Amino acid sequence: AQKVTQAQTEISVVEKEDVTLDCVYETRDTTYYLFWYKQPPSGELVFLIRRNSFDEQNEISGRYSWNFQKSTSSFNFTITASQVVDSAVYFCALSPPLPFTSGTYKYIFGTGTRLKVLA
Amino acid sequence: DVKVTQSSRYLVKRTGEKVFLECVQDMDHENMFWYRQDPGLGLRLIYFSYDVKMKEKGDIPEGYSVSREKKERFSLILESASTNQTSMYLCASSFRGVTEAFFGQGTRLTVV
Repeated sequence: AQKVTQAQTEISVVEKEDVTLDCVYETRDTTYYLFWYKQPPSGELVFLIRRNSFDEQNEISGRYSWNFQKSTSSFNFTITASQVVDSAVYFCALSPPLPFTSGTYKYIFGTGTRLKVLA
Repeated sequence: DVKVTQSSRYLVKRTGEKVFLECVQDMDHENMFWYRQDPGLGLRLIYFSYDVKMKEKGDIPEGYSVSREKKERFSLILESASTNQTSMYLCASSFRGVTEAFFGQGTRLTVV
């Protein structure tokens, strides 16, 4: 079975603190993709990053960084020097490698982590 | 910019009504999806479509149907709305293959 677990339901930090959002996944596929999305109060999910299972290099984009560890089936997301505008719900998602044809798949989302950054 | 547009931000419908939620994308994406978002449950897939007139049931298809007559448009239909279908509905689209999905702004449906 494929599953994504985001154990942190809600996190509150003070502005300028660093914060890490955890994501643990389960899959039997040897090839798969992982994603992070941000859902601000406006409601629209915004794509942040996609990683494939063969690329375990950490990625940094500005204040955002992602740590992918196959050994622990985790794909954690860190925001450095958080800002109020980072307040949102963040979703981690998993997808198998094949094109979406009949019987195959689609994105599997975690339950999300609500991040509140306080001024 | 990719645009996925849902026809309504907010809807209030009565129990038993037939409800149509419309979604249009302008990027020629093959795949389109309907998700339902509820607190504590995350996003759950209702239906998805990988081509015109093609559809696949997701994890919670009961009480819903879909229609995809044109590539850019994917409609979600609640045949007889019930109060337990009160939720946020999100439409998404993506290219064939594993690429990121682009989401609409969501429709918050209340069934009274």
